[in-house]
Amino acid sequence: SQQGEEDPQALSIQEGENATMNCSYKTSINNLQWYRQNSGRGLVHLILIRSNEREKHSGRLRVTLDTSKKSSSLLITASRAADTASYFCATTGANSKLTFGKGITLSVRP
Amino acid sequence: GAVVSQHPSWVICKSGTSVKIECRSLDFQATTMFWYRQFPKKSLMLMATSNEGSKATYEQGVEKDKFLINHASLTLSTLTVTSAHPEDSSFYICSAPVRHREPQHFGDGTRLSIL
Repeated sequence: SQQGEEDPQALSIQEGENATMNCSYKTSINNLQWYRQNSGRGLVHLILIRSNEREKHSGRLRVTLDTSKKSSSLLITASRAADTASYFCATTGANSKLTFGKGITLSVRP
Repeated sequence: GAVVSQHPSWVICKSGTSVKIECRSLDFQATTMFWYRQFPKKSLMLMATSNEGSKATYEQGVEKDKFLINHASLTLSTLTVTSAHPEDSSFYICSAPVRHREPQHFGDGTRLSIL
């Protein structure tokens, strides 16, 4: 079964608005990662947050991690049309194996 | 940054054909690579872990004889879909971490269509 479960499943916003995506997981983790996938392409790593971290920033991205609630959120500020893509959270288990959530489809309208 | 190259990007072939997909780490050595399968508008499902110098580890429900994995060197893993059938049509993606538990680098995927 999928470890990560994102919500919402689909999100449509206007350019310039912020986009918030949530992810929940079930077991203990070493770290949680967020990836982006443009249609028909491979995944691109966005940000990694370790289990002992609570918040991390990278450019317009802000990730939070609440291990007590087994949840994480990804915030994209000042969204752009180019941010349109699918976003996946993934937890890292043994042997670097990633378990992906179902993904969120983000559409940013120009 | 670390780059993973996957080839071919698209393949269309007849039912019964075997298809080989290559995954190469271009600027780092990858003792471990991962193979995923992705259906349209769905998430990635891990198929197997490719280990250099040893047998691949397959996830539950993945047929070892159908999906042959060979980690030929520290920079190359191949996935061969044997005697492919239309139900094997999918998007296959490989990935490799530079270091254990670090972010993984993904190939651009291979879209396999079996007629």
